[in-house]
Amino acid sequence: AQKITQTQPGMFVQEKEAVTLDCTYDTSDQSYGLFWYKQPSSGEMIFLIYQGSYDEQNATEGRYSLNFQKARKSANLVISASQLGDSAMYFCAMRPFSGGGADGLTFGKGTHLIIQP
Amino acid sequence: DGGITQSPKYLFRKEGQNVTLSCEQNLNHDAMYWYRQDPGQGLRLIYYSQIVNDFQKGDIAEGYSVSREKKESFPLTVTSAQKNPTAFYLCASSTGTGGGTGELFFGEGSRLTVL
Repeated sequence: AQKITQTQPGMFVQEKEAVTLDCTYDTSDQSYGLFWYKQPSSGEMIFLIYQGSYDEQNATEGRYSLNFQKARKSANLVISASQLGDSAMYFCAMRPFSGGGADGLTFGKGTHLIIQP
Repeated sequence: DGGITQSPKYLFRKEGQNVTLSCEQNLNHDAMYWYRQDPGQGLRLIYYSQIVNDFQKGDIAEGYSVSREKKESFPLTVTSAQKNPTAFYLCASSTGTGGGTGELFFGEGSRLTVL
């Protein structure tokens, strides 16, 4: 079984500052994928970034980057130059690649990020 | 536009009534999923289906039922046996075992309130 831990229930950050959202995971699988999703107040889940366990480089997508530390089982999301529109819930998730990997993602409880002007 | 459509967006029901939430996708994805979200909680998996006419229980399947008669459709029924059905329900799909990262594509969700 997999487990995702997000230790920051809420964060307040000044606009234009960088922010790091913490995520640690626990799995016995050697091959897996890590994901971050954003959920605005409207409720839809927006995919942000993906990191494979065997990827040598940290993933980046625009202002989002994933600080992947495999030995620590850590996959922190970094948002550079935060904007007011970044205010939302953020979820870390993972799935193992064993067994075909079609049995869904395991999610953490999320971090509520509020960007202040 | 390809995507996932959930309906209704808001639903109110009396205690003891069964309700069915609709989920339709036109992404040609094999796998579909239902998640439940409670305030301050992450998403918990209710049921998933990797192929038509087949589905598996997730972590919190008790009190729920599903069917997968068509590739595009994966309706969820919240039965009267579900003790605390008030929640936000999210449907998702993915390419499943067909490759890719396994990223889930989500619908906009259905908010169920039981009075």
